[in-house]
Amino acid sequence: NAGVMQNPRHLVRRRGQEARLRCSPMKGHSHVYWYRQLPEEGLKFMVYLQKENIIDESGMPKERFSAEFPKEGPSILRIQQVVRGDSAAYFCASSLESGFATAYEQYFGPGTRLTVT
Amino acid sequence: TQLLEQSPQFLSIQEGENLTVYCNSSSVFSSLQWYRQEPGEGPVLLVTVVTGGEVKKLKRLTFQFGDARKDSSLHITAAQPGDTGLYLCAGEEVSQGNLIFGKGTKLSVKP
Repeated sequence: NAGVMQNPRHLVRRRGQEARLRCSPMKGHSHVYWYRQLPEEGLKFMVYLQKENIIDESGMPKERFSAEFPKEGPSILRIQQVVRGDSAAYFCASSLESGFATAYEQYFGPGTRLTVT
Repeated sequence: TQLLEQSPQFLSIQEGENLTVYCNSSSVFSSLQWYRQEPGEGPVLLVTVVTGGEVKKLKRLTFQFGDARKDSSLHITAAQPGDTGLYLCAGEEVSQGNLIFGKGTKLSVKP
């Protein structure tokens, strides 16, 4: 199965710790997107990356959150000094092409459920 | 910020009934995608519509994109318990890469 992989599926962190969420896109995809889903809320865009570049981070909080997609290896969403409000499901999606004026399709991974205690 | 309003939020019907879910916005989208999400899983892509007025069919599911590319609908014919789930519409912002999601319609089909 060459779908989008995310790990871990579940992550528990105490307040103040760091959370690292990993995403491996579908084979051949070089565009990665991170979304956050809060209970009873829709998915909210956080950041859009291509290999080694952040294209759009307008949905990501300015502090404590960072994302990268290195030349080799998975994309990483990093949350420093987590707080209870960071508890949510974090989803990664990948696409073959960018969305600029063209039809593209985003395929989602199973998500990482982060719980901050 | 563009918004996508989905209605209804919840829908509980009997097996065999028909239903329609709506997705509306005041803004234009380059394309619109429909997903279905099961509890504890990621959204699974059902269809992408691109052209205004486009209609796509997927077995008992019919998807339509409004002429002005601002709204869309999903119609399910003869619903089955296996159709139960959360249906999400997502619009691709013009000249952007990210998707704007509606809050979803939670469908329950009772046998």
